[in-house]
Amino acid sequence: AQSVTQLDSQVPVFEEAPVELRCNYSSSVSVYLFWYVQYPNQGLQLLLKYLSGSTLVKGINGFEAEFNKSQTSFHLRKPSVHISDTAEYFCAVRTNSGYSTLTFGKGTMLLVSP
Amino acid sequence: GAVVSQHPSRVICKSGTSVKIECRSLDFQATTMFWYRQFPKQSLMLMATSNEGSKATYEQGVEKDKFLINHASLTLSTLTVTSAHPEDSSFYICSAPPSNRVNTEAFFGQGTRLTVV
Repeated sequence: AQSVTQLDSQVPVFEEAPVELRCNYSSSVSVYLFWYVQYPNQGLQLLLKYLSGSTLVKGINGFEAEFNKSQTSFHLRKPSVHISDTAEYFCAVRTNSGYSTLTFGKGTMLLVSP
Repeated sequence: GAVVSQHPSRVICKSGTSVKIECRSLDFQATTMFWYRQFPKQSLMLMATSNEGSKATYEQGVEKDKFLINHASLTLSTLTVTSAHPEDSSFYICSAPPSNRVNTEAFFGQGTRLTVV
C-alpha cells in the first residue's frame, strides 16, 4: 500500500513570492507521482507528473517539482505566484503497473494575497 | 486532450430519494473508472472501482447496496446514491484512465456536489 503526506494544510504567501508545497510518500514498490490542482467546486486538473527519467519535472502554469527517491519526496515549487494560483493542491501516487488507483495526500491550500 | 464529463455538476435532493451521477469519457474508451468522495476541506477518498461489463469493486467501509455502480459501456459509468441521507452530502468525482494508453494519468470529471436536505 502507498501513503502520501502533505505536511502543510495551508500555505499563505504574498503575490510574486516563491512557494514550495511539500509532499512525502511511502511505498514498498515503485510509484508514479502527480500533483493536481483543484479550484473551488471543480474537479482536479493535472499540474505535472513524474513517471521516470529526469527528476525535475516541469508542469503547467509555471510549476515544477523534483523527485527525490532517497528522501521519498516530490515537492512542488513555483518561483513567483499569482493571485490566480490560490487553490487546493493535491499530491498523489500510484503504482507503476496497470491502472491502479491514485492515493492522494490531504491537500495543501495555497492562499496568495496581494 | 482526453475529456471526462460528469453530470450533473450540482444536485439537491430530498432525504430518502435516489440520485444518479453520470461519468462519461468523451473521446476515449475507459475499461476502468474510479469514483471518489471528497468531504469539505479533505482529500479524495476512493469509493469504488468501476469495471466495464463486470461488478464494481468497493473499498472497505463503502456500502455497495447504497452506492450502486454500473459500467455498461466503455464510455459510461454511473453512480447511484440510493435512499440518500444528509450524511451522504459530499462532492463526488469520477476519473478514468484511457484503456489504450498505459502509464497515462487518469482524467477527472468536474465533480458533482450532492446536497441532501
